[in-house]
Amino acid sequence: EPEVTQTPSHQVTQMGQEVILRCVPISNHLYFYWYRQILGQKVEFLVSFYNNEISEKSEIFDDQFSVERPDGSNFTLKIRSTKLEDSAMYFCASDTARGNQPQHFGDGTRLSIL
Amino acid sequence: SQQGEEDPQALSIQEGENATMNCSYKTSINNLQWYRQNSGRGLVHLILIRSNEREKHSGRLRVTLDTSKKSSSLLITASRAADTASYFCATDAVFYYAGGTSYGKLTFGQGTILTVHP
Repeated sequence: EPEVTQTPSHQVTQMGQEVILRCVPISNHLYFYWYRQILGQKVEFLVSFYNNEISEKSEIFDDQFSVERPDGSNFTLKIRSTKLEDSAMYFCASDTARGNQPQHFGDGTRLSIL
Repeated sequence: SQQGEEDPQALSIQEGENATMNCSYKTSINNLQWYRQNSGRGLVHLILIRSNEREKHSGRLRVTLDTSKKSSSLLITASRAADTASYFCATDAVFYYAGGTSYGKLTFGQGTILTVHP
């Protein structure tokens, strides 16, 4: 069964550094999402992306965050200047159509900010 | 409570028993989805139930939805040790705004930690 793949599985970065998290969604999916899960807390929506533009973003997704689909397969999340509170598990998800279709999640990237 | 709240927070049962987890939410929804997460891993989709559906089955899983009470339940029958995981409900709520309609944004609950003892 096709999977959403995320790399790296674990990223350790110094505070203030830029980090790029990478995702390869399922190939025929059109809608892409980033979520994060701070240790011990709920999974939180960050952003949705369709047709090369952001569809919706949460309050968390401030100017430090950006997303990009640089080619036909990758979907990236960039954090420009990381803060300690950005430490979390970041999940990428994709689906074929917004609404009434299951979102398929990757295994996540654990981001640790030192 | 917030959108997508599960109870109980933790559930411990013996193999072979049934496990029931509940989820409550506040706003109108397009659908409700249940996910499983093994420790340190990603979210595995279990079942999606649409707002006009009342019950769905998938193998040993049974999900019910009561939109009048804004609640859902997940039943795992004949549980196995391999079912040990965290279970989350996630709501896809419909928001209408000037620019259009928002959906596809999932709101997750805190989850239920299920432990099945062999």
